[in-house]
Amino acid sequence: AQTVTQSQPEMSVQEAETVTLSCTYDTSENNYYLFWYKQPPSRQMILVIRQEAYKQQNATENRFSVNFQKAAKSFSLKISDSQLGDTAMYFCATPQEDKIIFGKGTRLHILP
Amino acid sequence: NAGVTQTPKFQVLKTGQSMTLQCAQDMNHEYMSWYRQDPGMGLRLIHYSVGAGITDQGEVPNGYNVSRSTTEDFPLRLLSAAPSQTSVYFCASSYRTLGYGYTFGSGTRLTVV
Repeated sequence: AQTVTQSQPEMSVQEAETVTLSCTYDTSENNYYLFWYKQPPSRQMILVIRQEAYKQQNATENRFSVNFQKAAKSFSLKISDSQLGDTAMYFCATPQEDKIIFGKGTRLHILP
Repeated sequence: NAGVTQTPKFQVLKTGQSMTLQCAQDMNHEYMSWYRQDPGMGLRLIHYSVGAGITDQGEVPNGYNVSRSTTEDFPLRLLSAAPSQTSVYFCASSYRTLGYGYTFGSGTRLTVV
């Protein structure tokens, strides 16, 4: 069965610092996708960034970027110049057959 | 374009009561899913559907029923509520490929007393 593991339950960083959230996954698919979702205190789930496994280039969305290591099955999220509004739960996820499976999440606190 | 609409946003039930959580999407998405979110447990899949008339069980289906009579609607029924079903429930939908991830509803916070 495919799994998604986030090894950091909780992290705190100072505003304006760079922070990296870790994710490892296991999959038997040859072509697959990986996602990072953000869940702020409002509870809404927001897709932050998406990576296609067959693309070697790491995805980037403004201050958010990923480090995708296909051979190591690692998919970390880097947040640059962190802002107070980045305080949230972050979930790593990947499709498994006809559904998407999620890691247990990392709670990120951005400190003023 | 409303996206994924969940109702109600909050609900308190007594043990043994039944209720239906509503989910509707207007994006013509084929895939729809229900998750529950509990502290420290992430998002756990309850039931999912790949199209009208087709449903399947996820990781934690016990105590819940679903049906998918139309592409737009995917209601989740709690048959006899238990305190262990106290949780936040999310409905999500996607195109068939899943390559663009899910669009989520805003969630329902359910408390069973």
